[in-house]
Amino acid sequence: DAGVIQSPRHEVTEMGQEVTLRCKPISGHDYLFWYRQTMMRGLELLIYFNNNVPIDDSGMPEDRFSAKMPNASFSTLKIQPSEPRDSAVYFCASSTGLAGVSGANVLTFGAGSRLTVL
Amino acid sequence: SQQGEEDPQALSIQEGENATMNCSYKTSINNLQWYRQNSGRGLVHLILIRSNEREKHSGRLRVTLDTSKKSSSLLITASRAADTASYFCATDAKGFKTIFGAGTRLFVKA
Repeated sequence: DAGVIQSPRHEVTEMGQEVTLRCKPISGHDYLFWYRQTMMRGLELLIYFNNNVPIDDSGMPEDRFSAKMPNASFSTLKIQPSEPRDSAVYFCASSTGLAGVSGANVLTFGAGSRLTVL
Repeated sequence: SQQGEEDPQALSIQEGENATMNCSYKTSINNLQWYRQNSGRGLVHLILIRSNEREKHSGRLRVTLDTSKKSSSLLITASRAADTASYFCATDAKGFKTIFGAGTRLFVKA
């Protein structure tokens, strides 16, 4: 498997523009996660999906952010309109789940999308 | 807010020395994981320790967990320049909401 694939790797845009980040999880992984990484706030969980259904979006900072997973092999994170404070590295990760008393949610991360909003 | 907090924030050692990083967390957990992040890359899972385990080994990695103190440590023995990276602890106190600490930046000098 090629792992979790994210695109674009780098995006530079101007304030007010729409940004769409894309993710292809590992085949067979039922869980997909979007994280944001900044120096100030570290790694923040934005939203996660189970079987293409959003389960918890409490980490999504504002209504400007939205995420979708139309099928098991594709997810998008959209920011509209973008602002300079959205500049960060956005990671997608997937897992097979297995959380609970005997399991653990081991994540496989993509390489990230570095977003710069001018 | 972050569940785990690592210390030190940064660590610089010579190749061949051991590196120890610590992680403290706030709430009860089912397990704790350590991840590594090389510059410009995504995080990579290193090792998992369950709440009923006290120590675990994997190659040059040794992880301990003290649930009474809500803390864990990651020891890398005989460090190499290739170990230069940031290391994060992660906990799953809230099911699938894996929460990461702030990370320790390790620099191994050749």
